[in-house]
Amino acid sequence: AQSVTQPDIHITVSEGASLELRCNYSYGATPYLFWYVQSPGQGLQLLLKYFSGDTLVQGIKGFEAEFKRSQSSFNLRKPSVHWSDAAEYFCAVGAPGNKLVFGAGTILRVKS
Amino acid sequence: DADVTQTPRNRITKTGKRIMLECSQTKGHDRMYWYRQDPGLGLQLIYYSFDVKDINKGEISDGYSVSRQAQAKFSLSLESAIPNQTALYFCATSDHGEGTDTQYFGPGTRLTVL
Repeated sequence: AQSVTQPDIHITVSEGASLELRCNYSYGATPYLFWYVQSPGQGLQLLLKYFSGDTLVQGIKGFEAEFKRSQSSFNLRKPSVHWSDAAEYFCAVGAPGNKLVFGAGTILRVKS
Repeated sequence: DADVTQTPRNRITKTGKRIMLECSQTKGHDRMYWYRQDPGLGLQLIYYSFDVKDINKGEISDGYSVSRQAQAKFSLSLESAIPNQTALYFCATSDHGEGTDTQYFGPGTRLTVL
C-alpha cells in the first residue's frame, strides 16, 4: 500500500536561512507527488506537484522539490525562508483510484 | 469568492446529535472528497464521489455518511456524533487530469463534539 513519511514533526529555521523538508514515499509504480501548505486557520494550498519529466519541480512562493527515485524521496526546499512561510507542510502521493495518501505533516517555525 | 466553500466553519455539538457539514464548489469539478485532519496524523479520506451517482468509502467511513446533491454540492453527515469525531474536516475537489488528479481544498470546518 502507498504510504508517505515525513520524518520531522517540527522544524525551526531562522528567517533568511535555507529550508529543506523531507518526504519519503512508498509506491510500487511511478509516483505522482504533491506538496501542500496549510497556514493557521486555512485550508490546504497546493505548492507544487510532480507527475513526470524534469525531476526538479518549481512551485509557488519560491519553493522547489526534487524527485529522487533511488531514494524514494521528494524533499521540499526554499533558499531563503520568510516569516510568512511558518505553516504546516504536507507531502502526498497519488494512490490508485485517484486518491491521495498524506504524510503526517511538518510544522515549520520561523524565528527572527 | 472562494472556489471551494465549507459551512459551518466552526461547530460545537453534543454527543448523540446529528450534524451535517456542507461543501460547495464553483470550480466545475466532477470529483469531490471529504477528509478529516487530526494532529500528527495528516489527512485521512472519509468518502469520495467521482460524479453525482458515484459514492465511495474512504479509509475511515464508519460513523459518517455523505450525500452528493448536485455536481457542486457534497455533504458529510455524522448521524450520532461522538467525542472522537472532534477534528478538522476538509472538503476537496478535483477534475479529470493527467494521472492522479490535483485536489483543491476548502478552508475546513472545525468540529468539536462534547
